[in-house]
Amino acid sequence: DAKTTQPNSMESNEEEPVHLPCNHSTISGTDYIHWYRQLPSQGPEYVIHGLTSNVNNRMASLAIAEDRKSSTLILHRATLRDAAVYYCILRDKAGGTSYGKLTFGQGTILTVHP
Amino acid sequence: GAGVSQSPSNKVTEKGKDVELRCDPISGHTALYWYRQSLGQGLEFLIYFQGNSAPDKSGLPSDRFSAERTGGSVSTLTIQRTQQEDSAVYLCASSLAGGPNYEQYFGPGTRLTVT
Repeated sequence: DAKTTQPNSMESNEEEPVHLPCNHSTISGTDYIHWYRQLPSQGPEYVIHGLTSNVNNRMASLAIAEDRKSSTLILHRATLRDAAVYYCILRDKAGGTSYGKLTFGQGTILTVHP
Repeated sequence: GAGVSQSPSNKVTEKGKDVELRCDPISGHTALYWYRQSLGQGLEFLIYFQGNSAPDKSGLPSDRFSAERTGGSVSTLTIQRTQQEDSAVYLCASSLAGGPNYEQYFGPGTRLTVT
């Protein structure tokens, strides 16, 4: 399975945009890029996913590089509630071990300052 | 609507005892997953049920762990002869269907402490 690499931690100020990077240089053509986050003392929460095109939803935007070897999760205006661990996960629609399950790495710890 | 619920929220047990953890998925979701989160191992997959297909048990750490899903809804994760290394938060998730185009919704977890 393809691997993802994320920075261990990032910091942001409240009401500023946050760009969380993820590298996945060995991504296959059938891998979806998923983002989940885990707030303190809670279960993980789905944020967004995409395959090739950029995606927007009420929580965030996902920008996918043209060669798909990297992606960026964008929080347009960070709030204190966005402080969490953010996970970038690949899931293969063609089957294999990543088809059903989520494989969590260490993720990026986002700290938001008031 | 109602999300994924798990019970109990906390469980303390003695080493060697058996425990059962329950998960109620979102109504209508055909896929159900169990994960656990411990300090040393992070979040790890345990088992995955999809409809009437045979479950993917590839993440179960030993034969002391088993899970069943009755009637395509409620699931129970059973740990026999618990060990201290089983202490973790056990998380259940469900999705409308299996596969990577469906997001997984997680429950609040059951915190298991083995003394």
